[in-house]
Amino acid sequence: RKEVEQDPGPFNVPEGATVAFNCTYSNSASQSFFWYRQDCRKEPKLLMSVYSSGNEDGRFTAQLNRASQYISLLIRDSKLSDSATYLCVVKALGRGSTLGRLYFGRGTQLTVWP
Amino acid sequence: ETGVTQSPTHLIKTRGQQVTLRCSSQSGHNTVSWYQQALGQGPQFIFQYYREEENGRGNFPPRFSGLQFPNYSSELNVNALELDDSALYLCASSSRGYGANVLTFGAGSRLTVL
Repeated sequence: RKEVEQDPGPFNVPEGATVAFNCTYSNSASQSFFWYRQDCRKEPKLLMSVYSSGNEDGRFTAQLNRASQYISLLIRDSKLSDSATYLCVVKALGRGSTLGRLYFGRGTQLTVWP
Repeated sequence: ETGVTQSPTHLIKTRGQQVTLRCSSQSGHNTVSWYQQALGQGPQFIFQYYREEENGRGNFPPRFSGLQFPNYSSELNVNALELDDSALYLCASSSRGYGANVLTFGAGSRLTVL
Protein backbone atom coordinates (compact mmCIF):
# COMPACT_ATOMS: atom_id res chain seq x y z
CA ARG A 1 0.00 0.00 0.00
CA LYS A 2 1.30 3.45 -0.87
CA GLU A 3 2.06 5.92 1.92
CA VAL A 4 -0.15 8.58 0.33
CA GLU A 5 -3.09 7.90 -1.95
CA GLN A 6 -4.72 10.51 -4.15
CA ASP A 7 -7.33 10.44 -6.88
CA PRO A 8 -5.30 11.41 -9.97
CA GLY A 9 -8.30 13.05 -11.66
CA PRO A 10 -8.30 14.86 -13.94
CA PHE A 11 -10.76 17.39 -12.60
CA ASN A 12 -12.10 19.77 -15.23
CA VAL A 13 -14.15 22.64 -13.80
CA PRO A 14 -15.42 26.02 -15.05
CA GLU A 15 -14.15 29.28 -13.64
CA GLY A 16 -15.88 30.12 -10.40
CA ALA A 17 -16.51 26.51 -9.43
CA THR A 18 -15.65 24.97 -6.08
CA VAL A 19 -13.49 21.87 -6.25
CA ALA A 20 -12.33 19.49 -3.53
CA PHE A 21 -9.36 17.15 -3.49
CA ASN A 22 -8.88 14.34 -1.02
CA CYS A 23 -6.06 12.13 0.03
CA THR A 24 -5.43 9.42 2.58
CA TYR A 25 -2.21 8.40 4.28
CA SER A 26 -1.26 5.06 5.75
CA ASN A 27 1.17 5.91 8.55
CA SER A 28 -0.68 6.95 11.68
CA ALA A 29 2.59 8.35 13.08
CA SER A 30 2.69 10.96 10.35
CA GLN A 31 3.75 14.29 11.72
CA SER A 32 3.16 17.07 9.23
CA PHE A 33 0.93 17.55 6.24
CA PHE A 34 1.06 19.79 3.20
CA TRP A 35 -0.38 20.56 -0.17
CA TYR A 36 2.07 21.36 -2.93
CA ARG A 37 1.21 22.70 -6.35
CA GLN A 38 3.07 21.67 -9.49
CA ASP A 39 2.61 23.44 -12.81
CA CYS A 40 3.22 21.51 -16.03
CA ARG A 41 6.92 20.64 -16.39
CA LYS A 42 7.84 22.75 -13.36
CA GLU A 43 8.96 21.97 -9.83
CA PRO A 44 6.54 21.48 -6.91
CA LYS A 45 5.92 24.54 -4.77
CA LEU A 46 4.40 24.67 -1.31
CA LEU A 47 0.77 25.78 -1.45
CA MET A 48 -0.05 25.46 2.23
CA SER A 49 0.55 23.45 5.34
CA VAL A 50 -2.37 21.56 6.86
CA TYR A 51 -3.10 21.91 10.56
CA SER A 52 -5.25 19.75 12.80
CA SER A 53 -7.75 22.52 13.35
CA GLY A 54 -8.06 23.18 9.64
CA ASN A 55 -6.74 26.31 8.01
CA GLU A 56 -7.64 28.73 5.28
CA ASP A 57 -5.58 30.87 2.93
CA GLY A 58 -7.79 33.05 0.77
CA ARG A 59 -9.77 30.78 -1.53
CA PHE A 60 -7.99 27.66 -0.28
CA THR A 61 -9.09 25.63 2.76
CA ALA A 62 -7.26 22.59 4.06
CA GLN A 63 -8.62 20.05 6.51
CA LEU A 64 -6.99 17.18 8.39
CA ASN A 65 -8.76 14.25 10.03
CA ARG A 66 -6.14 12.30 11.99
CA ALA A 67 -8.61 9.62 13.10
CA SER A 68 -9.48 8.80 9.49
CA GLN A 69 -5.98 9.65 8.19
CA TYR A 70 -7.58 11.89 5.62
CA ILE A 71 -6.54 15.25 4.20
CA SER A 72 -8.56 17.56 1.99
CA LEU A 73 -8.10 20.73 -0.02
CA LEU A 74 -11.00 22.92 -1.07
CA ILE A 75 -10.62 25.59 -3.73
CA ARG A 76 -13.42 28.13 -3.98
CA ASP A 77 -14.11 30.47 -6.90
CA SER A 78 -11.65 28.66 -9.19
CA LYS A 79 -9.45 30.78 -11.45
CA LEU A 80 -7.82 29.82 -14.73
CA SER A 81 -4.49 30.21 -12.95
CA ASP A 82 -5.42 27.42 -10.52
CA SER A 83 -4.89 24.87 -13.31
CA ALA A 84 -2.07 22.65 -12.06
CA THR A 85 -1.38 19.34 -10.33
CA TYR A 86 -1.98 19.34 -6.58
CA LEU A 87 0.24 17.06 -4.55
CA CYS A 88 -0.72 15.78 -1.12
CA VAL A 89 2.40 15.48 1.04
CA VAL A 90 2.97 13.80 4.38
CA LYS A 91 6.01 13.86 6.63
CA ALA A 92 6.36 10.81 8.82
CA LEU A 93 7.98 10.67 12.22
CA GLY A 94 10.18 7.79 11.22
CA ARG A 95 13.48 6.44 12.39
CA GLY A 96 16.75 5.87 10.65
CA SER A 97 16.55 6.22 6.92
CA THR A 98 12.96 7.45 6.93
CA LEU A 99 13.54 10.28 9.38
CA GLY A 100 12.39 13.58 7.96
CA ARG A 101 11.48 12.38 4.52
CA LEU A 102 8.40 13.60 2.70
CA TYR A 103 5.97 11.24 1.06
CA PHE A 104 4.16 12.59 -2.00
CA GLY A 105 0.92 11.40 -3.50
CA ARG A 106 0.85 11.04 -7.26
CA GLY A 107 -1.02 14.32 -7.57
CA THR A 108 -4.47 15.37 -8.74
CA GLN A 109 -4.64 17.26 -12.00
CA LEU A 110 -6.96 20.27 -12.16
CA THR A 111 -7.95 22.15 -15.29
CA VAL A 112 -10.08 25.28 -14.93
CA TRP A 113 -11.76 26.35 -18.15
CA PRO A 114 -13.25 29.75 -19.05
CA GLU B 1 18.54 35.42 -1.98
CA THR B 2 19.21 32.82 -4.66
CA GLY B 3 16.97 29.80 -4.99
CA VAL B 4 17.87 26.19 -5.71
CA THR B 5 19.61 25.74 -9.05
CA GLN B 6 20.10 22.46 -10.86
CA SER B 7 22.14 21.44 -13.87
CA PRO B 8 21.83 20.25 -16.50
CA THR B 9 18.18 20.99 -17.19
CA HIS B 10 17.82 18.26 -19.79
CA LEU B 11 20.00 15.37 -20.83
CA ILE B 12 19.80 12.19 -22.83
CA LYS B 13 21.80 9.07 -22.03
CA THR B 14 21.80 5.47 -23.17
CA ARG B 15 21.39 2.36 -21.09
CA GLY B 16 24.48 1.42 -19.11
CA GLN B 17 25.91 4.93 -19.05
CA GLN B 18 26.52 7.00 -15.94
CA VAL B 19 25.15 10.44 -15.14
CA THR B 20 25.96 13.18 -12.64
CA LEU B 21 23.39 15.81 -11.72
CA ARG B 22 24.27 18.91 -9.76
CA CYS B 23 22.44 21.10 -7.30
CA SER B 24 23.23 24.37 -5.55
CA SER B 25 21.13 24.86 -2.45
CA GLN B 26 19.32 28.02 -1.49
CA SER B 27 21.39 30.51 0.45
CA GLY B 28 21.31 29.67 4.15
CA HIS B 29 20.16 26.07 3.61
CA ASN B 30 22.43 23.26 4.81
CA THR B 31 20.39 20.20 3.83
CA VAL B 32 19.78 18.79 0.38
CA SER B 33 17.29 16.10 -0.61
CA TRP B 34 16.96 14.40 -3.96
CA TYR B 35 13.70 13.14 -5.41
CA GLN B 36 12.86 11.20 -8.56
CA GLN B 37 9.59 12.02 -10.32
CA ALA B 38 8.50 9.65 -13.06
CA LEU B 39 5.89 10.79 -15.54
CA GLY B 40 2.44 10.92 -13.95
CA GLN B 41 3.76 10.14 -10.48
CA GLY B 42 4.60 12.13 -7.39
CA PRO B 43 8.21 12.70 -6.38
CA GLN B 44 9.89 9.75 -4.65
CA PHE B 45 12.57 10.31 -2.01
CA ILE B 46 16.03 9.11 -3.05
CA PHE B 47 18.21 10.40 -0.20
CA GLN B 48 19.08 13.41 1.92
CA TYR B 49 22.43 14.97 2.76
CA TYR B 50 23.17 16.95 5.88
CA ARG B 51 26.61 18.11 6.94
CA GLU B 52 28.15 16.24 4.01
CA GLU B 53 26.76 12.88 5.11
CA GLU B 54 23.85 10.81 3.87
CA ASN B 55 21.07 11.37 6.37
CA GLY B 56 18.35 9.07 5.10
CA ARG B 57 17.69 6.98 2.00
CA GLY B 58 14.61 5.84 0.16
CA ASN B 59 14.05 2.60 -1.69
CA PHE B 60 16.67 3.10 -4.40
CA PRO B 61 19.52 0.73 -5.31
CA PRO B 62 23.18 1.48 -4.52
CA ARG B 63 23.84 2.62 -8.07
CA PHE B 64 22.16 5.85 -6.94
CA SER B 65 24.76 7.72 -4.92
CA GLY B 66 25.40 11.25 -3.86
CA LEU B 67 27.71 13.79 -2.36
CA GLN B 68 27.38 17.03 -0.46
CA PHE B 69 30.17 19.57 -0.49
CA PRO B 70 31.29 22.04 2.21
CA ASN B 71 29.33 24.81 0.48
CA TYR B 72 26.20 22.60 0.80
CA SER B 73 25.92 21.98 -2.93
CA SER B 74 25.27 18.40 -3.93
CA GLU B 75 25.61 15.84 -6.67
CA LEU B 76 23.47 12.85 -7.58
CA ASN B 77 25.25 10.08 -9.46
CA VAL B 78 23.49 7.23 -11.19
CA ASN B 79 25.50 4.33 -12.59
CA ALA B 80 24.46 1.65 -15.07
CA LEU B 81 21.47 3.62 -16.27
CA GLU B 82 18.25 1.74 -16.98
CA LEU B 83 15.28 2.79 -19.08
CA ASP B 84 13.17 3.21 -15.91
CA ASP B 85 15.61 5.84 -14.67
CA SER B 86 14.04 8.25 -17.15
CA ALA B 87 12.45 10.89 -14.93
CA LEU B 88 12.62 14.40 -13.56
CA TYR B 89 15.22 14.57 -10.81
CA LEU B 90 14.43 17.21 -8.24
CA CYS B 91 16.78 18.66 -5.71
CA ALA B 92 15.33 20.36 -2.66
CA SER B 93 17.08 22.30 0.05
CA SER B 94 16.05 23.10 3.59
CA SER B 95 17.61 24.69 6.62
CA ARG B 96 16.97 22.33 9.49
CA GLY B 97 17.99 18.88 8.44
CA TYR B 98 15.45 16.26 9.38
CA GLY B 99 13.49 18.83 11.28
CA ALA B 100 12.71 20.85 8.21
CA ASN B 101 9.11 21.00 7.17
CA VAL B 102 9.40 23.13 4.08
CA LEU B 103 11.48 22.21 1.08
CA THR B 104 12.49 24.56 -1.69
CA PHE B 105 12.76 22.69 -4.95
CA GLY B 106 14.93 23.41 -7.93
CA ALA B 107 13.48 23.29 -11.43
CA GLY B 108 14.83 19.78 -11.91
CA SER B 109 16.97 17.85 -14.33
CA ARG B 110 14.99 15.89 -16.89
CA LEU B 111 16.82 12.67 -17.75
CA THR B 112 15.89 10.52 -20.71
CA VAL B 113 17.49 7.08 -20.99
CA LEU B 114 17.32 5.45 -24.42
